Order: sequence, then C-alpha cells, then structure tokens
Amino acid sequence: DQQVKQNSPSLSVQEGRISILNCDYTNSMFDYFLWYKKYPAEGPTFLISISSIKDKNEDGRFTVFLNKSAKHLSLHIVPSQPGDSAVYFCAASPINNAGGTSYGKLTFGQGTILTVHP
Amino acid sequence: GAGVSQTPSNKVTEKGKYVELRCDPISGHTALYWYRQSLGQGPEFLIYFQGTGAADDSGLPNDRFFAVRPEGSVSTLKIQRTERGDSAVYLCASSPTGITQYFGPGTRLTVL
Repeated sequence: DQQVKQNSPSLSVQEGRISILNCDYTNSMFDYFLWYKKYPAEGPTFLISISSIKDKNEDGRFTVFLNKSAKHLSLHIVPSQPGDSAVYFCAASPINNAGGTSYGKLTFGQGTILTVHP
Repeated sequence: GAGVSQTPSNKVTEKGKYVELRCDPISGHTALYWYRQSLGQGPEFLIYFQGTGAADDSGLPNDRFFAVRPEGSVSTLKIQRTERGDSAVYLCASSPTGITQYFGPGTRLTVL
C-alpha cells in the first residue's frame, strides 16, 4: 500500500513560470511533511518542510501548501529556473511514536521529474 | 561543513557474496537512517539508529540484512548472501532532530 503518492511522474514547465508539484497521503498519523530534490547520482537534498499545525510555509522561491482535510500537499516553485530540473520527492513522518510508526521514519512518494525549459 | 559521506560509491558483487556499506554521518547528528532506492521509486526505509541502538529495524527485508553503529557515529550496513534483487542505491541520512534528514550520495550496489 502506497501511503504517499505522487501521481504525476513528470512535469514540464517554461522558465519563469510556476511549477506545481502535488502529493497525496493516506496515513492520518503523518503530521510532518518534507520535500526533497534529487539530481542524478546524488542523494536527495532537503528543500522545505511543513508541520501539520500550519497550512503554508515559504522559503524564497519555494512554498509548500498543506490541506490536512484532503490529505494533500503541494510544492510551488516561482519563478522556475532551468537549474530546478530534477526529481522531486515528497516525504511524510509522524512527529511522535504512535501507531507502530517511528519518529522521523520518512515515507516517500515515487517522485516527479521536473523539467524547466529555457 | 562536511555532509554525509558513503563508501564505496559503487559496489559490484556476485550473487551469494557478503558486502558492507559504510556511512559517515554529519558530526554531532545522533539519528542515523538507512534507506534503499530502486529505479523509479522513492527511498524506502530500512533501519533507524538513535545513538548506538537500533530504534527501529522494521524496514529490513529479511535476516540477511544487518546494520551496526557501535560508537554512535559511523554505521555499517551488512548484507549476507547477496541476491540480484538486492541491487539498488543504498542511502544513508543523518539528523540532529530525527525529522529533517540530510542524505549522503548513496552506494549503488549491483549484484550479478
């Protein structure tokens, strides 16, 4: 069972426009969410995170939105740049040990390949 | 400062052999995680250390997999009697808090 899903395998965007990457989750024990970016042959790089007590967190060009009732989060990149081209993963974690899950144990989505064209 | 490092970067082995993969976490990070990533998938949790002890090893696929962190810093993931299905990128991450995790570049394991 895929507890974190990224239903779009790929996204293509023009430089300067907005990129919106989506993620859905099913486990109601998740209350902390992260986005990672991954270039080929490198490990995932942390981008931005959000706690379930918030519905928005912003850091420069990156904003993460959380809709807890819909169990949905999204990452907005504005403006998109060619250097943003990478695979983006969303990940989820419970904050507290509960329901058999482990504090900080991340569950990842399958990833979305973002391509930003010049 | 130095990030998480993993050695070797690539490992090719034959079916049935034993392999060890090493992880050097960021200095001072008490939490250390191992994940495995197969092609086209996100990383999948294997095991989590808090200090020297394995706090959660529920992701280890079977008893051929074992990991240690004897002094609370460097960790070694050990795989016995490797199988072709073990081929993947093995990622290590460390964290000061246990939530935001910082990943190493991974070890690509190929079992022939």
